Formats: sequence, C-alpha cells, structure tokens
Amino acid sequence: GENVEQHPSTLSVQEGDSAVIKCTYSDSASNYFPWYKQELGKRPQLIIDIRSNVGEKKDQRIAVTLNKTAKHFSLHITETQPEDSAVYFCAASNHPKAAGNKLTFGGGTRVLVKP
Amino acid sequence: KAGVTQTPRYLIKTRGQQVTLSCSPISGHRSVSWYQQTPGQGLQFLFEYFSETQRNKGNFPGRFSGRQFSNSRSEMNVSTLELGDSALYLCASSLEGQVHFGPGTRLTVT
Repeated sequence: GENVEQHPSTLSVQEGDSAVIKCTYSDSASNYFPWYKQELGKRPQLIIDIRSNVGEKKDQRIAVTLNKTAKHFSLHITETQPEDSAVYFCAASNHPKAAGNKLTFGGGTRVLVKP
Repeated sequence: KAGVTQTPRYLIKTRGQQVTLSCSPISGHRSVSWYQQTPGQGLQFLFEYFSETQRNKGNFPGRFSGRQFSNSRSEMNVSTLELGDSALYLCASSLEGQVHFGPGTRLTVT
C-alpha cells in the first residue's frame, strides 16, 4: 500500500520567514495530494491540494509543488505569521479510481512561528 | 453549508465495552470515511462508505465496523474495547476528492 513520509517533524521559524515541509510517497498511482492544518484541539482543515496533472499551485501565502518523477511534494508558507503555528499533515490518495477517498497521511510537522 | 458533525464529542468507556459513534456528512456528500488519530500512530484510515457500501477498508481488526444509511449519515462501532483504542476518531465527508473532517469524537478507554 501507499506510504507517505514527512519531514521535518518539527519546524521553528521566525515570524516573516518562510517554512517548507516535504513529503515523499511510494505509490506511483497516487494522483491527489492534499495538505491539512490542525490547530490544537481542532479538526484537520484542508488548506491546499494538488492533483498529479499540475506541478505547482498557489493560494496567497501558501503554495504546493509536486514532482511526480521523484514522488515528492512540498508545502511552502511565505511571510509566516504566529497564526500559522499548528501541525501540518500531507496526504496522498488515488482518486477517483478504485481506491476511492482513502487518504494516507504523513506523520505531521509541528510548526512554531516565533514573534 | 454546515460542516461535518459528529456525536458524541467525548466518550469514556471501560475495557470490554462497545461504542457507537455517529457522523453526519456535509449536505450532498455521499462519501463518508473514518480515521483514527493517536499521538503514536498519527492519522490512520479506518474505512470509507459510498452509497451505503463499504468501498475501502484500512488495516484495523474486525472489532472496528461501520455502516452508512440512505441519507449518507454514518456510524462506526468498536466492540470489545481495548486501552489502545483510546483516540480521536475523525469522520470525513468528501465530494470530488476533497476530504473535509468533522470535529472528532475523543474516546477514552479505561
């Protein structure tokens, strides 16, 4: 089955700096890669996603890049703010094929933005 | 639209008991999936239902089961609870591949 590895496990950045989180996946059939932000005591919230036919996607201060050949994808947060402090999860799935909506998650990255 | 809702939000059970958790998906979403979140194992997929049929299953023992009703609402059941079942159980609904999570049910097994 699919295996997703995420690095680093913790990331401390100064407010205003950029943060980068990297994930690798094992199943070349995976074609959908979402990112979730989970604040303490809250639900994981979808913040951005990318499909395998796209190499990069941007939404304001966040962007995701995908390298299908190397089977890795990354989340970039620019101009970090204290409210960006949270745990971020990457995930992969093979949608909408037979695998349905089964997401395989990375282990998470705890991001701390220091003011 | 209202988001995914789950009941109850918190639950304390004793080893050996069984528990049923409930989930209402976002209106119009026919796919409902369940995940277990623990500090040690992270977020793990339990199963997914679509149009009342289980479409996918994760690597959990048969004590974990689920079902989906005709209105897309879903329940999951855990029988013969073990201490290791203590976790946050997240329900999610999806449309066009985007998966949206509910607030979760925090289950504590003592």
